[in-house]
Amino acid sequence: EVQLVESGGGLVQPGGSLRLSCAASGFTFSSYWMHWVRQAPGKGLVWVSRINSDGSSTTYADSVKGRFTISRDNAKNTVYLQMNSLRAEDTAVYYCAREGPRGYNYYYMDVWGKGTTVTVSS
Amino acid sequence: EIVLTQSPGTLSLSPGERATLSCRASQSVSSSYLAWYQQKPGQAPRLLIYGASSRATGIPDRFSGSGSGTDFTLTISRLEPEDFAVYYCQQCGSSLWTFGQGTKVEIK
Repeated sequence: EVQLVESGGGLVQPGGSLRLSCAASGFTFSSYWMHWVRQAPGKGLVWVSRINSDGSSTTYADSVKGRFTISRDNAKNTVYLQMNSLRAEDTAVYYCAREGPRGYNYYYMDVWGKGTTVTVSS
Repeated sequence: EIVLTQSPGTLSLSPGERATLSCRASQSVSSSYLAWYQQKPGQAPRLLIYGASSRATGIPDRFSGSGSGTDFTLTISRLEPEDFAVYYCQQCGSSLWTFGQGTKVEIK
C-alpha cells in the first residue's frame, strides 16, 4: 500500500525550531519529487516547499523562505522539513504529499499523508 | 505568483443536483498544471482531477473538469451524499505552487 506518514509535530514557542519527518512506503521513493503543504485551523491549503527526487533542488513559498529547509534521505525513504524561527502564523497541520510521476508534463499531488499538527504559542 | 480565485465560496445544493465550481487564475495557466482536490473534515486532501480534465484513479465519472487559460471549472453531475466537502484548485507555475481558497459544497 502506498503510504505517507508524518511525525514530529507539537507545541513550540515562538522563535523555536521543529523538524517534521514524512516516512514513505509502498513505492519507489527515490523516483518522486515530494512536497509539504500546510493548513491553518479553519483555513485553506497553502503550499510550503518542494524537493526533487535526488534532493539537489528545492523550492519554497516566500512565507517560509530562509526559515524552513526541506531535505530527504532516500536510503530511509523519508523527507524532512526543518522549521526555524517559528511564528504564531506557522501554526497549522502540515501534510506531506507525493508529486505525480515525472515525464508526463502534469503537475499534481497524488498521495497525501494524514498530517502532523504544529502549534506555535507561548 | 499566480493567484487562484475560486467561486462561489459556498455552494448549497441538494443530493442529486449538479454542482459547478469555478477557479480563475490571475494569469494564464497551462492546462497541464491545473488540478482539483476534495477535502472532507479531518481528512487529507484527495486528488480528483489533473491536467484540468483527467480524472485521477478511482474517481467516479460524475466528476469532470474543463477549462483553459485563466478559467477552469469542476463539475459534479449529480451530487452524492459523500460529495459534500471542500474543493480546491491548484496550479504550478514557475516552480511555485498555489491553491485556490476553496469552495465548500454543503447540503441545502
